[in-house]
Amino acid sequence: NAGVTQTPKFQVLKTGQSMTLQCAQDMNHNSMYWYRQDPGMGLRLIYYSASEGTTDKGEVPNGYNVSRLNKREFSLRLESAAPSQTSVYFCASSKGHQGDEQYFGPGTRLTVT
Amino acid sequence: GIQVEQSPPDLILQEGANSTLRCNFSDSVNNLQWFHQNPWGQLINLFYIPSGTKQNGRLSATTVATERYSLLYISSSQTTDSGVYFCAVVSGYGNKLVFGAGTILRVKS
Repeated sequence: NAGVTQTPKFQVLKTGQSMTLQCAQDMNHNSMYWYRQDPGMGLRLIYYSASEGTTDKGEVPNGYNVSRLNKREFSLRLESAAPSQTSVYFCASSKGHQGDEQYFGPGTRLTVT
Repeated sequence: GIQVEQSPPDLILQEGANSTLRCNFSDSVNNLQWFHQNPWGQLINLFYIPSGTKQNGRLSATTVATERYSLLYISSSQTTDSGVYFCAVVSGYGNKLVFGAGTILRVKS
């Protein structure tokens, strides 16, 4: 049981490049989330998906798109990376809604130069 | 939206000492979680505790929902306890997990 997995672990992009961060969970959870963590701060919600086929904006959605590919997978896309998107990105999942316990992946450290 | 305040912001302990970390929140909550972020950046679930008391080894937590605070107790601290401890909540009216700024804990041998 791997829990929540994320790829890649590290990535360096130039300004304007695009990339997709991948997330998968094997706990049969309905809800999945993407967060970002900036230095010295707690995590902030970018987007979430309460069920397969649905997505909703979180606190900081600008510059990102998401796809809930199936129940297991939830991807985050940066269409045109900016230095302000340099951050550590965490994916999480929970059984039901956001009131349930959330479990986090290991994170992706992204640097945009 | 709901506000989450953690104290103290920084804490330095000698190995073997005990400590209490506090989390205050400004509204009723459906979810309260404590996490440990280790020096490698991993977020480890410690407790899911919207109310009541739980214990897991040297760690325990208490949430008094009516008074809008939660406490995390660490006893007989070890160097591996070092890292950042986050409290995160979902308000009764909200739909997102809101994190506090964290408490940085350093345990010296």
